[in-house]
Amino acid sequence: EPEVTQTPSHQVTQMGQEVILRCVPISNHLYFYWYRQILGQKVEFLVSFYNNEISEKSEIFDDQFSVERPDGSNFTLKIRSTKLEDSAMYFCASSPDRGAYEQYFGPGTRLTVT
Amino acid sequence: EDQVTQSPEALRLQEGESSSLNCSYTVSGLRGLFWYRQDPGKGPEFLFTLYSAGEEKEKERLKATLTKKESFLHITAPKPEDSATYLCAVQRYTGNQFYFGTGTSLTVIP
Repeated sequence: EPEVTQTPSHQVTQMGQEVILRCVPISNHLYFYWYRQILGQKVEFLVSFYNNEISEKSEIFDDQFSVERPDGSNFTLKIRSTKLEDSAMYFCASSPDRGAYEQYFGPGTRLTVT
Repeated sequence: EDQVTQSPEALRLQEGESSSLNCSYTVSGLRGLFWYRQDPGKGPEFLFTLYSAGEEKEKERLKATLTKKESFLHITAPKPEDSATYLCAVQRYTGNQFYFGTGTSLTVIP
């Protein structure tokens, strides 16, 4: 069964460093998403991506964040200058198309900023 | 303001003891309501989508229902492997992001 994969599973970085989180969405899906979950809190939307551009973003997704689909399979989230409060689980998700379609989540990348 | 509230926060059941989890929502223009299961340290796993009031979906020991203000996830004769956090999310017609609740942590004791 197709699944969303994410690498790395755990990333430790120092404050101020840049990190890139990688995702491989399900191959025939068209919409891609990033969410984050701070420990003990709810899953929060960051950004959605369709047709090689951002279709929607939340207030959390400020200028420190960027997304890219560098090739036909990968989808990345870059944080330019990490802060302590960026420590969280970051989930990538994909869905077949726009609309009330379920989103399939990857296993997540745990980002720890020290 | 769109809101999704889940209750209870935590629920402990004996194996075989049926119960229900609640998801109350206020959202302008509901496109769909989604139930997910999340195991510790893992990503949410899709369970159900509900689109309109009165709709019901079933999968093994789980049954999800939807009204205009809330959704219930009924668990019949749960087993220890049903222990997980159950998340509710809503999606509006305007946009396709999910708004998640904080989840119900279910523990089923053998």
